[in-house]
Amino acid sequence: NAGVTQTPKFQVLKTGQSMTLQCAQDMNHNSMYWYRQDPGMGLRLIYYSASEGTTDKGEVPNGYNVSRLNKREFSLRLESAAPSQTSVYFCASSRLGQGRNEQYFGPGTRLTVT
Amino acid sequence: RKEVEQDPGPFNVPEGATVAFNCTYSNSASQSFFWYRQDCRKEPKLLMSVYSSGNEDGRFTAQLNRASQYISLLIRDSKLSDSATYLCVVNTRSGNTGKLIFGQGTTLQVKP
Repeated sequence: NAGVTQTPKFQVLKTGQSMTLQCAQDMNHNSMYWYRQDPGMGLRLIYYSASEGTTDKGEVPNGYNVSRLNKREFSLRLESAAPSQTSVYFCASSRLGQGRNEQYFGPGTRLTVT
Repeated sequence: RKEVEQDPGPFNVPEGATVAFNCTYSNSASQSFFWYRQDCRKEPKLLMSVYSSGNEDGRFTAQLNRASQYISLLIRDSKLSDSATYLCVVNTRSGNTGKLIFGQGTTLQVKP
């Protein structure tokens, strides 16, 4: 049981390049999330998917797109990377219900945009 | 005002000490509450959920005060391995979804 996995672990992009961050979970969770973490800012929600087939914007969605490929997989795409997107990206999943929302995180992707 | 506020610290304590962290939240409709632990350059990991009646897990005790909108975490008999950043997290439900709001974290350094 791997939990939440993310690829790649590290990535360096030049401004304007595109890339997709991959996330998969094997806990049969219905909800999945993408966050970014910057020094002094805490974790901020980019996009989330409450269930398969749905996606919604979080706090900082600009410059990103997402795809909920199936129940297990949720990808984050940067169409034209900018230095402001240099950050650590975490994917998380949870089984929403009864007012509870314990989320479990992947190991993160460290992205640098030059 | 931030939705979830924590004292960033750092809290420097000797091994064996008892240390307490507090956290306040602004949304009175918040439904559930958690403490996460994050080690340097690692992902956040769920430490414990916080229940209205308070709950304990070994050396860790979490309390919730809904009237005053604050959450606390008490760590007894601190170990070197407790050194980490502790994130206060609040779940605010929106329709059929739940959004976690993270505090910026409180850094704990336990010294020999």
